[in-house]
Amino acid sequence: GQNIDQPTEMTATEGAIVQINCTYQTSGFNGLFWYQQHAGEAPTFLSYNVLDGLEEKGRFSSFLSRSKGYSYLLLKELQMKDSASYLCASLDSNYQLIWGAGTKLIIKP
Amino acid sequence: NAGVTQTPKFRVLKTGQSMTLLCAQDMNHEYMYWYRQDPGMGLRLIHYSVGEGTTAKGEVPDGYNVSRLKKQNFLLGLESAAPSQTSVYFCASSPTSGRATDTQYFGPGTRLTVL
Repeated sequence: GQNIDQPTEMTATEGAIVQINCTYQTSGFNGLFWYQQHAGEAPTFLSYNVLDGLEEKGRFSSFLSRSKGYSYLLLKELQMKDSASYLCASLDSNYQLIWGAGTKLIIKP
Repeated sequence: NAGVTQTPKFRVLKTGQSMTLLCAQDMNHEYMYWYRQDPGMGLRLIHYSVGEGTTAKGEVPDGYNVSRLKKQNFLLGLESAAPSQTSVYFCASSPTSGRATDTQYFGPGTRLTVL
C-alpha cells in the first residue's frame, strides 16, 4: 500500500531551528513535495526534491534520501508566522500526489 | 490574476440534498483536481481532469461526480449528500502532471457540513 508518515504536532521556539521528518512508501516515486498550510487556508508550495540531497531556499531547506524513503523539512530562524501545518506529499508512478496528514507546527515566543 | 477560486466558501446541507461546487482557474492550466481534507488525514483525491472534456476517478470518487466542459472550470457535484461527506473541499490546478516539477495551485477551499 501507499503510506506517508509524519509527526502529528511539533513545538518550537521563535528564533530556533526545527526539523520535520517524513517517511514515504509509494508505488513508484517521482519526487517529494512539501507544502505549507496555515489554519483555514489553502496549501501553498514550499519545495520539491527528486534527487538525493539538500535543497536550500532561504530559511527553508528540504532533504531527500530515496534509498531510505525519507525526507525532512528544515526551518531556520523560526518566526511566529511559521506556525502552520506542513504537508509532505510523494508523487507516485502515475504522477498522482499521495499526501501525509500534515505536521502542525506551534511556535512559542 | 485571481489564480484558483472556489464557490461557495461555506455550505450547510441536509442529508439527501444535492449541490455543485465550482472551481475556476485563470492560469490556462490543463490539469485540475478535487480533493477533500479531513482531520487527521491527508488530502485525498476525489476526481481529476487532464484537459477540457476529460475526467478521471481518484482515490475516493464514490458519491461525487465532476464535469470539465470548459478548460477554466471544474465542477464537483454531490447528488445525494451524506454526513460522511462533511469535509473541506479543495480544488487545485497544475500546468501538466507529466513533468514531475509541476506544482499544484490550490483554491481557498469550501467548508461543507451535511446534517
